[in-house]
Amino acid sequence: DAKTTQPPSMDCAEGRAANLPCNHSTISGNEYVYWYRQIHSQGPQYIIHGLKNNETNEMASLIITEDRKSSTLILPHATLRDTAVYYCIVRVENNQGGKLIFGQGTELSVKP
Amino acid sequence: NAGVTQTPKFRILKIGQSMTLQCTQDMNHNYMYWYRQDPGMGLKLIYYSVGAGITDKGEVPNGYNVSRSTTEDFPLRLELAAPSQTSVYFCASSSVNRVETQYFGPGTRLLVL
Repeated sequence: DAKTTQPPSMDCAEGRAANLPCNHSTISGNEYVYWYRQIHSQGPQYIIHGLKNNETNEMASLIITEDRKSSTLILPHATLRDTAVYYCIVRVENNQGGKLIFGQGTELSVKP
Repeated sequence: NAGVTQTPKFRILKIGQSMTLQCTQDMNHNYMYWYRQDPGMGLKLIYYSVGAGITDKGEVPNGYNVSRSTTEDFPLRLELAAPSQTSVYFCASSSVNRVETQYFGPGTRLLVL
């Protein structure tokens, strides 16, 4: 599975959009981009995933560049409860299970 | 649905003791996983299972054992606890889809002294 690079930390003002970048320059054509987040002392929570098209759900939007070498997770109106560590993961499905390889992630602090 | 449940929530072990961390899911998911998370670090995969009776090693399997006799349960066994196994342990499960997502339990905090 391809490796990802994320900034270690970011700040965002409450009510503003939070844009979290992720580089995955070695991504393969059949690898998906997943985003999870982990609020302090809780288990990780799935946010969104995509292959090459932009995706949107009730939590966030995922923008993947045309060359697929980077992506951005967008929280459109960040709240204090969005303060968490955000993990960008790329992986390919295989018949041995959906293993997730977590990196260091980005610690997002939403400030009032 | 309760989702993924883990017991105990917290445990202190002495060096050399053994224990079993329990994990149960009620979503009929075939895939189950055990991760550990050290302070300030991302999660590392210990073991995983693609179905009852099938298990395989992850990144950091040494010092652990697993079994999967039913779809619902995936216990993690520590035979000889060591201080290096002090960590937070998360169990997760996912369904057999082409692009699956994992649902995580609340975690078990383990301290080995």
